[in-house]
Amino acid sequence: EVQLVESGGGLVQPGGSLRLSCVASGFTFSSYWMRWVRQAPGKGLVWVSRINSEGSSTSYADSVKGRFTISRDNAKKTLSLQMNSLRAEDTAMYYCVRVAPRQLVPDYWGQGTLVSVSS
Amino acid sequence: QPVLTQPPSASASLGASVTLTCTLSSGYSNYNVDWYQQRPGKGPRFVMRVGTGGIVGSKGDGIPDRFSVLGSGLNRYLTIKNIQEEDESDYHCGADHGSGSNFVVVFGGGTKLTVL
Repeated sequence: EVQLVESGGGLVQPGGSLRLSCVASGFTFSSYWMRWVRQAPGKGLVWVSRINSEGSSTSYADSVKGRFTISRDNAKKTLSLQMNSLRAEDTAMYYCVRVAPRQLVPDYWGQGTLVSVSS
Repeated sequence: QPVLTQPPSASASLGASVTLTCTLSSGYSNYNVDWYQQRPGKGPRFVMRVGTGGIVGSKGDGIPDRFSVLGSGLNRYLTIKNIQEEDESDYHCGADHGSGSNFVVVFGGGTKLTVL
């Protein structure tokens, strides 16, 4: 069974940092591209970042470029998102997403971890 | 990059059918769109991908046969037949655009489906 379990969310002050993790199981993690997608309370989905299967290529939404860093440890089957210089508008549920290799379909999502940025 | 537009709400009676629409902005009629179901308090669940020729690839795990898709022009449709209570969810559509450092994913605003 495919499982993606996010952790690391919490309450942080503006300007602070947080590191999110997503532990994968039930599939060959090293073969899949991965994404982070967020959702502010009561709002729609917003793509944040993606990383290829080797970890050598990354992409970011303009809103987080230069502040967030996506990475992965294939040996530990873990996807990470380092978030620095956090702003109130970063407050959201953050979802880890698996991307199937054949047609790059985002086919599994985690349950999310909540990040709240407030003083 | 494309803009995806979804009506904010839809409703249907138990056992009836409903069609949800995701509309691509002009110039992007060849784009595929992914449909997601999000039940209250849960993470999104992949339903299926749709292009102008219909479904692209396979349905998501556990998606019943009652769910189908169609693509026409700028519109990507998700039809649910014989609606059940568990179908009451938010439905999102999304599309990939670009490559490399210019890659983005765009999402519609979501449609809240109410089962009457």
